[in-house]
Amino acid sequence: DAGVIQSPRHEVTEMGQEVTLRCKPISGHNSLFWYRQTMMRGLELLIYFNNNVPIDDSGMPEDRFSAKMPNASFSTLKIQPSEPRDSAVYFCASSFGRGSNQPQHFGDGTRLSIL
Amino acid sequence: DAKTTQPPSMDCAEGRAANLPCNHSTISGNEYVYWYRQIHSQGPQYIIHGLKNNETNEMASLIITEDRKSSTLILPHATLRDTAVYYCIVRYNTDKLIFGTGTRLQVFP
Repeated sequence: DAGVIQSPRHEVTEMGQEVTLRCKPISGHNSLFWYRQTMMRGLELLIYFNNNVPIDDSGMPEDRFSAKMPNASFSTLKIQPSEPRDSAVYFCASSFGRGSNQPQHFGDGTRLSIL
Repeated sequence: DAKTTQPPSMDCAEGRAANLPCNHSTISGNEYVYWYRQIHSQGPQYIIHGLKNNETNEMASLIITEDRKSSTLILPHATLRDTAVYYCIVRYNTDKLIFGTGTRLQVFP
């Protein structure tokens, strides 16, 4: 079975530009998570969805960040406008169930560089 | 979720068992212990989880002490490909995974 698929793998853009990261969860999983990893702060949960509904967005750093899940097989994380401090690796993960103690499975991430 | 404490780094010879400790002295009765690892440039990879009993799968074994205040992840025959950062996380009935700083395991030839 295919794992969590993220695109693009790498993104380099200039500050002020809009950035859209994409994620396809594992088929049948109904929870989806967006994480960000930096050297300074480690792995942080930004937002997660259950059955396509945002459950907790308390980790989203500011209004420049937004996430959507229009259907069970696709999610986006958008940054507009982007800033150099947004440079990080962004991971998407999915799991089955909610609060079910099922493990989360991660994609290989998008390495984002804002110049 | 309970906090965990792990050594920042460990070394292990290839072919030997790697024993990675984790302290979680404030764990509550219903919190599970999870282990993930992150190989350079990849996403975190789920390894194993358990509640009270020891667990084993094709990747590793998890030994949880009787008082549940600590656990050990065992990679029985470490290979160079097991070089990674290993995260111990405790979690109960929540979707959130709180990653700490983990243990950087270096397997050497």
